[in-house]
Amino acid sequence: NAGVMQNPRHLVRRRGQEARLRCSPMKGHSHVYWYRQLPEEGLKFMVYLQKENIIDESGMPKERFSAEFPKEGPSILRIQQVVRGDSAAYFCASSGGQPAGGQTQYFGPGTRLLVL
Amino acid sequence: SQKIEQNSEALNIQEGKTATLTCNYTNYSPAYLQWYRQDPGRGPVFLLLIRENEKEKRKERLKVTFDTTLKQSLFHITASQPADSATYLCALDIGSGGSYIPTFGRGTSLIVHP
Repeated sequence: NAGVMQNPRHLVRRRGQEARLRCSPMKGHSHVYWYRQLPEEGLKFMVYLQKENIIDESGMPKERFSAEFPKEGPSILRIQQVVRGDSAAYFCASSGGQPAGGQTQYFGPGTRLLVL
Repeated sequence: SQKIEQNSEALNIQEGKTATLTCNYTNYSPAYLQWYRQDPGRGPVFLLLIRENEKEKRKERLKVTFDTTLKQSLFHITASQPADSATYLCALDIGSGGSYIPTFGRGTSLIVHP
């Protein structure tokens, strides 16, 4: 049973380009979360999605960032017109139920984005 | 505002000793608290969850306590080993529009010396 998969593991973009980060949750999981982690900082929540729905995007920057979790296929975190400050590790996690119930989150290995 | 505090200084201990890590929080009352382990270049791995009505929870060499009066959780690793060296994160649920997303502290680095 494969765990949470993220790709690419490393992504290099120049300022102004677009970055697309993909996340396939664990089999049977329909809840996906995206976090960003800067060096020496904690995980910062960005967005929580269920299939075809954004449930909570309170941590998403208002501009340039978007996320989706289509009926078929992986969840995508999209960053348009990247800037150097977007350089970070982006982690995806999945769970089998709603977080209000204390569901365990299973994390992927992360995508390390470097903006030149 | 809501705050989660973990000691930013690395904890250095000798192999075989008990490591104790602290997580303090302010300005909210979480329904549960979780501890994760993160190794360099990897995603966090879930270790233990403790609910607000539980005082203590154990799993093999790990023990977690949850004091809702002090607003503090302690995470203990007994008989520590060099392989326990990692960063340990605590996470608390924060009600945000009803979705209760786990919010993470910055983590404390544990280094176990042979």
